[in-house]
Amino acid sequence: DQQVKQNSPSLSVQEGRISILNCDYTNSMFDYFLWYKKYPAEGPTFLISISSIKDKNEDGRFTVFLNKSAKHLSLHIVPSQPGDSAVYFCAARAGTASKLTFGTGTRLQVTL
Amino acid sequence: EPEVTQTPSHQVTQMGQEVILRCVPISNHLYFYWYRQILGQKVEFLVSFYNNEISEKSEIFDDQFSVERPDGSNFTLKIRSTKLEDSAMYFCASNNLRGSGANVLTFGAGSRLTVL
Repeated sequence: DQQVKQNSPSLSVQEGRISILNCDYTNSMFDYFLWYKKYPAEGPTFLISISSIKDKNEDGRFTVFLNKSAKHLSLHIVPSQPGDSAVYFCAARAGTASKLTFGTGTRLQVTL
Repeated sequence: EPEVTQTPSHQVTQMGQEVILRCVPISNHLYFYWYRQILGQKVEFLVSFYNNEISEKSEIFDDQFSVERPDGSNFTLKIRSTKLEDSAMYFCASNNLRGSGANVLTFGAGSRLTVL
């Protein structure tokens, strides 16, 4: 039951270029979406989020776009930096107190 | 910055043994969670806990698992009789439910459980 899907297991981007990570979901009850970044042997770290009432949220180099009709969101990182190399998880929740449902993750490699 | 702390960072145990993983959530948080990640797989929800009782649990969280908040600061996950397939990284998380961070879970660094 994959309610949150990240179809690209890996992505390689050159330093300075834009990284675009994609996420699709199937559950219409999801009303809040988050991106987490994870380094090996560490816990997921919150990066940026978006409510379903918005279509864009920006925080510095990170922008998340939400297309509700397509049930699709994306994370844009620009410019990409080597320190951005990590696994990025898309997550969603249906209601403030409910669990987070995670995607399978996309490993981003930013090369010099 | 406040953080969720977990102990031990790594535990190796024999199949059939009991294991307790410990977590200290952020002090003013009200909701607590356990997640796990089997190597190479996605982060999976196990259980959520609020007001001293389980609020939601997944199919993974069977009778072998239990959670407890024995005092005002610790939140524990017990696996009664470990199986090989319980080998995973277990993450504790907590949530404020207030203000701008209401929807954000803060995760600990994880406890790696290896069952032999």
